[in-house]
Amino acid sequence: GQNIDQPTEMTATEGAIVQINCTYQTSGFNGLFWYQQHAGEAPTFLSYNVLDGLEEKGRFSSFLSRSKGYSYLLLKELQMKDSASYLCAVGSYAGNNRKLIWGLGTSLAVNP
Amino acid sequence: GAGVSQSPSNKVTEKGKDVELRCDPISGHTALYWYRQRLGQGLEFLIYFQGNSAPDKSGLPSDRFSAERTGESVSTLTIQRTQQEDSAVYLCASSSVGPGTPTYEQYFGPGTRLTVT
Repeated sequence: GQNIDQPTEMTATEGAIVQINCTYQTSGFNGLFWYQQHAGEAPTFLSYNVLDGLEEKGRFSSFLSRSKGYSYLLLKELQMKDSASYLCAVGSYAGNNRKLIWGLGTSLAVNP
Repeated sequence: GAGVSQSPSNKVTEKGKDVELRCDPISGHTALYWYRQRLGQGLEFLIYFQGNSAPDKSGLPSDRFSAERTGESVSTLTIQRTQQEDSAVYLCASSSVGPGTPTYEQYFGPGTRLTVT
């Protein structure tokens, strides 16, 4: 079956670093995506990993290990505006069918 | 260069009525997705359109739900005989698929908040 696991909730302090983990078991793998969703808004794309290793983009970094079925999103120098839900999704493609398998999201609360 | 747009932004309807939700994808995007998101829950896949291929309807929860797409443009999601459990935000996303599109990133619209009373 298809399964993506991530923690339901996390809390961190402004200025700190937080790591949000995601593990997956899918029938196919065509990249792992992280999206950010603020309350009442649509998800927006943060990062994409298809090869093992770390991808850095400003304060956000994303890591992938395909052999372990594991990814994490690292947020540095946390700001209050980073309070949001972070969604992990895996591309599972078959022929022309390109779907993302979504995790339930990790709700991050950044406290002053 | 507009993004994905959806209408209406909010819809309140009485139980048993039919509703139609609209999605305008980004021009040139061949893939279009509909999702449902209940309050505090994750994204629930409903249906996927890819070019002229037959849509993937595997996520539609019942035969009260249907969707259409005209070519590679507008899509409508129709819910017949609405029930209170249909209350949710319905999100549409589009994606560019093909050579030169390395990420298959999905771009989301703002959603339609449906409330069934």
